[in-house]
Amino acid sequence: AQKVTQAQTEISVVEKEDVTLDCVYETRDTTYYLFWYKQPPSGELVFLIRRNSFDEQNEISGRYSWNFQKSTSSFNFTITASQVVDSAVYFCALSEATAAGNKLTFGGGTRVLVKP
Amino acid sequence: ETGVTQTPRHLVMGMTNKKSLKCEQHLGHNAMYWYKQSAKKPLELMFVYNFKEQTENNSVPSRFSPECPNSSHLFLHLHTLQPEDSALYLCASSQVGRDTFQETQYFGPGTRLLVL
Repeated sequence: AQKVTQAQTEISVVEKEDVTLDCVYETRDTTYYLFWYKQPPSGELVFLIRRNSFDEQNEISGRYSWNFQKSTSSFNFTITASQVVDSAVYFCALSEATAAGNKLTFGGGTRVLVKP
Repeated sequence: ETGVTQTPRHLVMGMTNKKSLKCEQHLGHNAMYWYKQSAKKPLELMFVYNFKEQTENNSVPSRFSPECPNSSHLFLHLHTLQPEDSALYLCASSQVGRDTFQETQYFGPGTRLLVL
């Protein structure tokens, strides 16, 4: 069975500090996809990134960057120079291909609080 | 309207009531999903519809009854719910193709349900 672990339940930082969110996953599949979603207080899950298991290149998008390490089954997410608007719950998810469609297994989420 | 919309955004119901949650996706996708997010558990997949056919029922009690009349609309009919069913119910959609596990699911804002 697939599993995603986000060990940090809550992180509090002061604006402009960097924050790194950990994500560790378990799967027996050789091909899979990993995702990060952001859930602001409004409730909607906002898609941030999708990463294929064969692509271990780190990715940067503005203040966001992702570090995928297949050897340690980790897909960590860093917010550089955090801002108050980054306050949200962040979820890491792992996909499982089924005939029904993409079945996502989510981690428990990490709440990030950025203080001014 | 763009993306995935859900109505109502908030719902309070008694245990003997019958209500329905509505989800509509404007992304041209062919798969839709219901998730439950409660305070004590990670995001749980409830139902998957692929091309209007229900392809997954994740051991959900029969007091939750989904309906997918077409690929753009998804309903969740609720009856005789329990207080422990109070949660945020999220709808998502994706485009199912040959490689199902790579599809990104896009989420609506959710319906926050309180059962008294």
